[in-house]
Order: sequence, then C-alpha cells, then structure tokens
Amino acid sequence: GENVEQHPSTLSVQEGDSAVIKCTYSDSASNYFPWYKQELGKRPQLIIDIRSNVGEKKDQRIAVTLNKTAKHFSLHITETQPEDSAVYFCAASLGGSASKIIFGSGTRLSIRP
Amino acid sequence: GAVVSQHPSRVICKSGTSVKIECRSLDFQATTMFWYRQFPKKSLMLMATSNEGSKATYEQGVEKDKFLINHASLTLSTLTVTSAHPEDSSFYICSAQGRGYYTEAFFGQGTRLTVV
Repeated sequence: GENVEQHPSTLSVQEGDSAVIKCTYSDSASNYFPWYKQELGKRPQLIIDIRSNVGEKKDQRIAVTLNKTAKHFSLHITETQPEDSAVYFCAASLGGSASKIIFGSGTRLSIRP
Repeated sequence: GAVVSQHPSRVICKSGTSVKIECRSLDFQATTMFWYRQFPKKSLMLMATSNEGSKATYEQGVEKDKFLINHASLTLSTLTVTSAHPEDSSFYICSAQGRGYYTEAFFGQGTRLTVV
C-alpha cells in the first residue's frame, strides 16, 4: 500500500521568512496530493492540493510542487505569519471517488515573532 | 466546501462499555466515508473505508469486531467502539467524499474518546 513520509517533523522560522515541508510517496499510481493544516484540537483543513498532471500550483502565499519521477512533493509558504503556526500534513491518494487518503506524519510549524 | 458534522465531540465512558460516534454529511451525499484515529501529536491513521450500503474495508491491524462501522445512508456513517478499554482512548475523526467532489475529502470535527 501507499506510504507517505514527511520531513521535517518540526520547523521553526522567523516571521516573514519562508517555510518548506517535503514529502515522498511510494505508490507511483498515486495522482492526488492534498495538504492539510490542523490547529490544536481542530479538524484538518485542506489548504492546497495538486494532481499529477500538474508540476506546480500556487495560491497566494502557498505553493506546492510535484516531481512525479522522484515521487516527491513539497509545500512552500512564503512571508510566514503567526497564524501559519499549526501542524501541516501532506497526503497521497490514487484519486477518484472512494480513494483513501494516506497521510504523512505531520510537521509542526512554529512562526517566531 | 462541504460540511461534515461529527458527534459527540467528547465522550468519557467506562471500561467495557460501547460508544457510538456519528459522522454526517450535511449538504452533500457522502458515497465514501473514512475513519481515522489520531494519537496526541501524531498523524491520522486510517482505520477503515466505508461505502454506502456495503461493508467497510478495514486497514491491516484494525480489529473489525472492535471498531464496528456502519454506512447505512448517503449522509450518515457510524463508528462503534465495542467493549472499550483505556488503550482505545484517542481522537477519532471521520472524513467524507461525495458526488460532485471528485477527490477532496471533508473532515468532521473529531471525537475525543476517553475510556476510564
């Protein structure tokens, strides 16, 4: 089955700097890669996703890149703000209805003022 | 996005009793629901996948007789933790996929179960 690895487990950056979180996946058939943000005690919220027919996607300060050959994908947050502090999870899925989403281990991001 | 409601948000039960957690899709038909378990400061571990009207598919290592999943309608799935023990204490969270939402899954707010 699919296995998703995520690094780093914790990340602390100065406010205004960029943060990068990296993930790898094992199943070459996976073609949907969502990223979730989870604040303490709350549900995960989808912040951005990318499908395998696209190499990069950007939404304001957040961008995701995908390298299908290497089975790597990354989340980039620019101009970080205190409200970006949370746990971020990458995930992978075969896509389509009824396709389970397998999560990475999570990255706890802290933004230093 | 679509709304998924999970109930209860917190429950404390005695060891040996059973607890039922409900997951409802409020404004869409959830053809597939997923149940996850999350330990403190850990990732979401998929427990099972349920499709409306059929038996759930459990992940390896998950006891199907302990974690009973029912997905009787397109808007409701339930997880029953049977004969709960303290080691079953955890954060349980559901997510739902539905028609019109190709791949995206929407999460419930989670249930914190404490077994004493």
